[in-house]
Amino acid sequence: AQSVTQLGSHVSVSEGALVLLRCNYSSSVPPYLFWYVQYPNQGLHLLLKYTTGATLVKGINGFEAEFKKSETSFHLTKPSAHMSDAAEYFCAVSNTGGFKTIFGAGTRLFVKA
Amino acid sequence: DTEVTQTPKHLVMGMTNKKSLKCEQHMGHRAMYWYKQKAKKPPELMFVYSYEKLSINESVPSRFSPECPNSSLLNLHLHALQPEDSALYLCASSQPASGGAAKNIQYFGAGTRLSVL
Repeated sequence: AQSVTQLGSHVSVSEGALVLLRCNYSSSVPPYLFWYVQYPNQGLHLLLKYTTGATLVKGINGFEAEFKKSETSFHLTKPSAHMSDAAEYFCAVSNTGGFKTIFGAGTRLFVKA
Repeated sequence: DTEVTQTPKHLVMGMTNKKSLKCEQHMGHRAMYWYKQKAKKPPELMFVYSYEKLSINESVPSRFSPECPNSSLLNLHLHALQPEDSALYLCASSQPASGGAAKNIQYFGAGTRLSVL
């Protein structure tokens, strides 16, 4: 079985500060890992993904995440927060063969001016 | 084009009404999904179609009836809904099973905001 835990339902940062959103996963098989962002009244947009290969993954809008197998983590970072980054962020895991993607509970990011 | 289009954007219906949600994609994806998302919660999988055949039904009540008329279209027929069914309904699509690593990447539509009165 697979699961995802996002630490912190709310994260608040100042504009220009580092963004760190935490995600830990559980999977009995090599996982595919994703971060999605959801703005109000919109669907989910894929920020980045890890499938195989390089463990540091770069995504859109300056976000990146590092797959750490030993820590079963896939934390999302951005060096400098922008007001437009305020949104809900979901970490997700799936396996290589199925259709099911398991989403974490989500982290709401607030960016203060 | 990585767009999944959902219509309508908003829908208000009474408990005795029959309505349908529509989803369309032209990315050649052969897997299509319906999710239900309540406020401040992650999406919950409802149905998955693979090659126009129902592959997964997550024990969804029969008042929700999915349909996949062709590889580009996915419908969700609604009948006799309850107020607790009010939510954002999201459609997604992904690459076919032969797509390797790409097959788990789901592209989402903007959703239909449903209110049941």
